[in-house]
Amino acid sequence: LAKTTQPISMDSYEGQEVNITCSHNNIATNDYITWYQQFPSQGPRFIIQGYKTKVTNEVASLFIPADRKSSTLSLPRVSLSDTAVYYCLVVPYYGGSQGNLIFGKGTKLSVKP
Amino acid sequence: EAGVTQSPTHLIKTRGQQATLRCSPISGHTSVYWYQQALGLGLQFLLWYDEGEERNRGNFPPRFSGRQFPNYSSELNVNALELEDSALYLCASSPTPGQGSGEQYFGPGTRLTVT
Repeated sequence: LAKTTQPISMDSYEGQEVNITCSHNNIATNDYITWYQQFPSQGPRFIIQGYKTKVTNEVASLFIPADRKSSTLSLPRVSLSDTAVYYCLVVPYYGGSQGNLIFGKGTKLSVKP
Repeated sequence: EAGVTQSPTHLIKTRGQQATLRCSPISGHTSVYWYQQALGLGLQFLLWYDEGEERNRGNFPPRFSGRQFPNYSSELNVNALELEDSALYLCASSPTPGQGSGEQYFGPGTRLTVT
């Protein structure tokens, strides 16, 4: 499974757009990029997933360049409630023969008023 | 649609005892995953069950075990509890593997405290 690297922490202010970049240099052809959000003492919540180019849902956008060696999660107009840890994962297309997700340390986003 | 449920919410045990944690997946999901999240650490994969079979386990000792029942609910057992087993234990479910990718649905977790 491809290893991911993302910043340990980021600070932002309410109403700003936040971009969290994740590098995954060894991503394989069949791997998807998946992002999760976790609040303290809660289980992670799936945010978005993509393979290439751009994916957008009601919560976030995911930008993936052509070489797929990195990806950027974009959160538009963050609020205090977006303060959480964000995890970038690389997952084989079919869920992986192992089935489990490999979580790194994530990026702790702090949104200030 | 009900989400993944876990019980109990909190569990306090003493060293050497056994703990049993329970998980009910989302209706229609056949795969159940267990993760451990110790304070200040990331999520560590424990076990994966699908269709009643253990499909994979993480780097944990054999005293961590579990099973999946015919209704796809699951149980995690931790024997001979040690202080470092204190953690948030998270259960997740997903549809049949091979048809999706990285989307798992997590429960609220069971906070296990070993004294």
